[in-house]
Amino acid sequence: GENVEQHPSTLSVQEGDSAVIKCTYSDSASNYFPWYKQELGKRPQLIIDIRSNVGEKKDQRIAVTLNKTAKHFSLHITETQPEDSAVYFCAARGISGGYNKLIFGAGTRLAVHP
Amino acid sequence: DAEITQSPRHKITETGRQVTLACHQTWNHNNMFWYRQDLGHGLRLIHYSYGVQDTNKGEVSDGYSVSRSNTEDLPLTLESAASSQTSVYFCASRPGTGSTEAFFGQGTRLTVV
Repeated sequence: GENVEQHPSTLSVQEGDSAVIKCTYSDSASNYFPWYKQELGKRPQLIIDIRSNVGEKKDQRIAVTLNKTAKHFSLHITETQPEDSAVYFCAARGISGGYNKLIFGAGTRLAVHP
Repeated sequence: DAEITQSPRHKITETGRQVTLACHQTWNHNNMFWYRQDLGHGLRLIHYSYGVQDTNKGEVSDGYSVSRSNTEDLPLTLESAASSQTSVYFCASRPGTGSTEAFFGQGTRLTVV
């Protein structure tokens, strides 16, 4: 079935450094790739997404890149701040089998140290 | 404001009991999903629905069932609770089958003892 792999599982950076989280997906027909941020004890919330007809999207300090040929996409956070500390999930919209559904990676726990 | 709500927020139950977790959304979204979240596994899809009377199995559907009798609700039932089903459960919804954001409920922490 569809699968999304996410790396690394944990990431520790100093405030002001950049953080990169990478995901690969198995369903070549996937065409929508959202990223969710989950703070401790809270629900996941969308921070950025990208569609398959776009290679890169940026929103202030966060950006996402997509390589359809290699079936991988990445989240880039620049000038990290302590409030960026959270678990980040990538997802891919799989459409195999005639249905479409969001398949999530296992998550990356990002810690930003002052 | 429209919202998606889950109840209860916390539940402790005994092995073998039937448990139902409620999910209610007021956006009139067609698509609704149930995920479970476990350390090291991220969010795994249990069941999902694309409309009234439509239900589909996800990645980890064994031991769970859902029903969709109206647009607003997708209750998740554990037929006979097992300790392996101790987890945090999230319900989510989104408008249709296009590439749109999914909105999550607050989560239900279920402990099976």
